[in-house]
Formats: sequence, C-alpha cells, structure tokens
Amino acid sequence: QVRLQESGPGLVKPSETVTLTCTVSGDSIANYYWTWIRQPPGKGLEWIALVHHGGSTNCNPSLKSRVTISVDPSKNHFSLKLASVTPADTAVYFCARSRSSTVTFPFSWGPGTLITVAS
Amino acid sequence: QALLTQPASLSASPGASASLTCTLRSGMNVGTYRIYWYQQKPGSPPQFLLRYKSDSDNQRGSGVPGRFSGSKDASANAGILVISGLQPEDEADYYCMVWHNSSLYVFGSGTKVTVL
Repeated sequence: QVRLQESGPGLVKPSETVTLTCTVSGDSIANYYWTWIRQPPGKGLEWIALVHHGGSTNCNPSLKSRVTISVDPSKNHFSLKLASVTPADTAVYFCARSRSSTVTFPFSWGPGTLITVAS
Repeated sequence: QALLTQPASLSASPGASASLTCTLRSGMNVGTYRIYWYQQKPGSPPQFLLRYKSDSDNQRGSGVPGRFSGSKDASANAGILVISGLQPEDEADYYCMVWHNSSLYVFGSGTKVTVL
C-alpha cells in the first residue's frame, strides 16, 4: 500500500521560495500522476499542480507563474517549488497520487504539512 | 462567479438521506463532466469517495460504503452526492471537484455536514 509523506520548512519568510517534497513509499513513483493541493487554515481545497512520472505537467493558472513541479524517480519523490510567497500562501500542503496510470485525479493522499509564511 | 458552488452547510438526522449539491457555473454543462467527491474529517486529509458522470460511468473509492452514491440534476446543472442512512461518522466536510478545460482540477467550496 502506497504511503505519501510531505516535508517542508514549516516557516518561510515573505518573498522567499519554499520547496516541498513528497516522499513515496510502498510503490514506485513510475506510472502514476502526482498532485499538490493546499488548504489554508479553516478554508477549502485548492488544486495546485500535477506531474506525470514522465515529466508532463499541468498547473493552476492562478499560480503558474510561481510554481515548479517536478518528479525525481531516482529518489522516488516529487517536489513543489513556490516562489515569492506571501502570507496568503499559508496553508496545509497535501501531496496525492492518482489511482492508476490511466487517470489523473488525486486518490491517495499524504497527511499534509503546514507551511506558514510570516516575517 | 465560482466554477463550482456548494452550500456551506447541511444538517440531517441519523438514518435520514442527505443530498449534497455541486452546481456548475452557467456555461458549463454538467452532462460533460465527471464529478469527483471527497470527504474530509477534521485534522485528516481528504478521502476520495466516488466519481460520477453517468449511471454507466461511475466509480466508488476503495472501502467506501454503498450508501454513498452519485447522481446529476441536469435541470439544475448540478452534481449530487447522496448519503443514505446517515450515520454519526458521516459528519465531515464534503468537496466536489471537476477537471476543467482539459487543463486543471477545480474544487468546490465544500459543504459541512452535521448529523444531529
């Protein structure tokens, strides 16, 4: 059974770039689609981006200019970089995997990691 | 106007049926979309419940009870999550989601279900 675990710095200063990593265990990162979603405290879900293990990506247009999503098969993990952060980027960030290689929707989720943007 | 609109809250009694709506913005045709539904309990990540496009194109998540089902109301341009025989453990936030413009997923704002 696949397990996903997000990791990140926890606290980031405004204008900095934050890097989040999702470590995958129990399955290979190959042949799936991998997604980042975030949830500000007390608010709803926002889809950020997805990446296929082969490298193709889709990104939310509202964040596209600041987002880089990538996959590293050698480490069996994938990452999200969010540039020029502001307090509005404070949220729990979830990573997720698709159900199979033929669908892209987030199916299995990690527990999430809280990123706080503050000076 | 948001792409997907969900009522903020819904309350129902144990054993009752609850219908959660996800209304698509004008100009979007619900008939062409797969509607995905997620359940989220406090302090936990969302859990995939089911996806529904039609009676012949739908899928429930692993271990999801059969009392969770999907449907559509074309006249209202809405996807619907039906929870039959509500149980106290169904108290949670429920989110709908669609794949839009072949390029991004969009979530609704969520409905908080309270089991009285």
